[in-house]
Amino acid sequence: QQQVKQSPQSLIVQKGGISIINCAYENTAFDYFPWYQQFPGKGPALLIAIRPDVSEKKEGRFTISFNKSAKQFSLHIMDSQPGDSATYFCAASIKTGANNLFFGTGTRLTVIP
Amino acid sequence: DAGITQSPRHKVTETGTPVTLRCHQTENHRYMYWYRQDPGHGLRLIHYSYGVKDTDKGEVSDGYSVSRSKTEDFLLTLESATSSQTSVYFCAIRLTRDLNSPLHFGNGTRLTVT
Repeated sequence: QQQVKQSPQSLIVQKGGISIINCAYENTAFDYFPWYQQFPGKGPALLIAIRPDVSEKKEGRFTISFNKSAKQFSLHIMDSQPGDSATYFCAASIKTGANNLFFGTGTRLTVIP
Repeated sequence: DAGITQSPRHKVTETGTPVTLRCHQTENHRYMYWYRQDPGHGLRLIHYSYGVKDTDKGEVSDGYSVSRSKTEDFLLTLESATSSQTSVYFCAIRLTRDLNSPLHFGNGTRLTVT
């Protein structure tokens, strides 16, 4: 059973546009929500993360919006650039043991110049 | 890459042969993880370790074993490789003891089983 559901599977955006990736979860015990960015040939790298006590976190052009009541969170990339083309994974974590991080299935973003 | 080295980076092997992948970290981090990445499935946990000789299974552990005889090395073994194990394998470490801290990944091993 997929603990974190991510959509869309792929996304094509024009340069300068807004990229939006959505994730949903069921387990209300999750208390940490990181996003990872992965370029071809590389491992995933932490991009930005949020805890459920805030509704939004912004770092440069990247924003996480968090809706606790709907159990949904999303990544917004403003002014998308070709260099943002990568695969993005959302994840959710619960502080109960070493095996505590659950990933979405990933979104391949392509930003067209 | 937070001092993580995976080897080899690429490997082609035949069905039925054993294969061992190595993850080496340069610092004494407690938690280490092996994931596989496949299209449409994202990252799936194979095995993880919370200390020397302390390991446990993840969600896709069948056909895999691990060993951690020293802090810096975490080995993943495919006992008898099958074509379904063709994948990209990532090692990850947790840099702090905070279980809500992020994972840091190596650059992966691309394994092809023919």
